[in-house]
Amino acid sequence: DGGITQSPKYLFRKEGQNVTLSCEQNLNHDAMYWYRQDPGQGLRLIYYSQIVNDFQKGDIAEGYSVSREKKESFPLTVTSAQKNPTAFYLCASSMAVQETQYFGPGTRLLVL
Amino acid sequence: SQQGEEDPQALSIQEGENATMNCSYKTSINNLQWYRQNSGRGLVHLILIRSNEREKHSGRLRVTLDTSKKSSSLLITASRAADTASYFCATVWIQGAQKLVFGQGTRLTINP
Repeated sequence: DGGITQSPKYLFRKEGQNVTLSCEQNLNHDAMYWYRQDPGQGLRLIYYSQIVNDFQKGDIAEGYSVSREKKESFPLTVTSAQKNPTAFYLCASSMAVQETQYFGPGTRLLVL
Repeated sequence: SQQGEEDPQALSIQEGENATMNCSYKTSINNLQWYRQNSGRGLVHLILIRSNEREKHSGRLRVTLDTSKKSSSLLITASRAADTASYFCATVWIQGAQKLVFGQGTRLTINP
């Protein structure tokens, strides 16, 4: 089945710890994205990648890092510099930046 | 950052009634997209309407676009309980960074 997957579904972070959220797609899409969603709010763009080995900061990139070594994978690391990481994180992919985005099921990050 | 803004923020109607949600944006766009999000889930794409189109239909969904007023509307006819969700519009700029920018969403509740 073609699609986009995220893992884990829930993730707990301790103070000072870096954690990595996984995002994988087998849709052969060039573009991939990470969004953050806070309760009752819309989506805010963290990072996006238009092609392998290239990525750009979104609106709220501070405290986050990404890599795009493979077309299928776009992991997001929430670093200890992100002081308020509790949120719902959504990954998406599309053929091109301006086209329809396909979303994963999300990862809920909680701070212990 | 510039983004689409949905109106109303929340809408509650009886099953069988029609639901209309509006989206306004600030800059010239390439296309405008509507997405649905069930609670705690990823977003699902509904309709993409390009800047040179005025209306599109998909099943019980009807989307209009008025580029002179920088606005779009999403109409759901004969609503069902399963339509209960948050609905987001997203716009792609044609100037500056080519990226999708989401509004805050309309929370739609269909009462049985």
